[in-house]
Amino acid sequence: GQQLNQSPQSMFIQEGEDVSMNCTSSSIFNTWLWYKQDPGEGPVLLIALYKAGELTSNGRLTAQFGITRKDSFLNISASIPSDVGIYFCAGQREDGGSQGNLIFGKGTKLSVKP
Amino acid sequence: NAGVTQTPKFQVLKTGQSMTLQCAQDMNHEYMSWYRQDPGMGLRLIHYSVGAGITDQGEVPNGYNVSRSTTEDFPLRLLSAAPSQTSVYFCASSYGGIEFFGSGTQLSVL
Repeated sequence: GQQLNQSPQSMFIQEGEDVSMNCTSSSIFNTWLWYKQDPGEGPVLLIALYKAGELTSNGRLTAQFGITRKDSFLNISASIPSDVGIYFCAGQREDGGSQGNLIFGKGTKLSVKP
Repeated sequence: NAGVTQTPKFQVLKTGQSMTLQCAQDMNHEYMSWYRQDPGMGLRLIHYSVGAGITDQGEVPNGYNVSRSTTEDFPLRLLSAAPSQTSVYFCASSYGGIEFFGSGTQLSVL
């Protein structure tokens, strides 16, 4: 089964607010990825992280690879209505678990009130 | 550049029917995979392939078959559909550890 805990499960925020979500695991990961899924579409990559402590931005989005290598965080600043969607974290375990395949969190559903 | 193309977009089956979900990619990626997405469950890996002629099982392979005769195509077969296979299915190809997803097939089994 899945080994990533993603939280929160859902968020309902006001336009302009900042958003934070995270993923944690009991295993060490060597890659963390953050995806966004719009309704009726497949997930699209937002940010990829490859080193512990790495902090990477993509516009209003910022993600960090946790120092312990067991967690990652995604922040969205000044949210806008088009930020609505489901955000997934995904990672690749260092020990090659899950046959080296990506493991996905269960997603954070973001709703934005204009 | 089309990326990963999935067909059909929507499908309704009766229990026991068979069908094939098609997936094609034009990025020359060796690695391809199939996921299913269910509410509250995230994305679960069904089968994957590391190259033409090579396939392997993922987390939830039961009830599904795959083959990989070419680099471009990776079809997913349901031999005898069951209501538990009602889901949204995503095909993906991968390069450098990053999955690139198709737009999905919404399947309902009645």
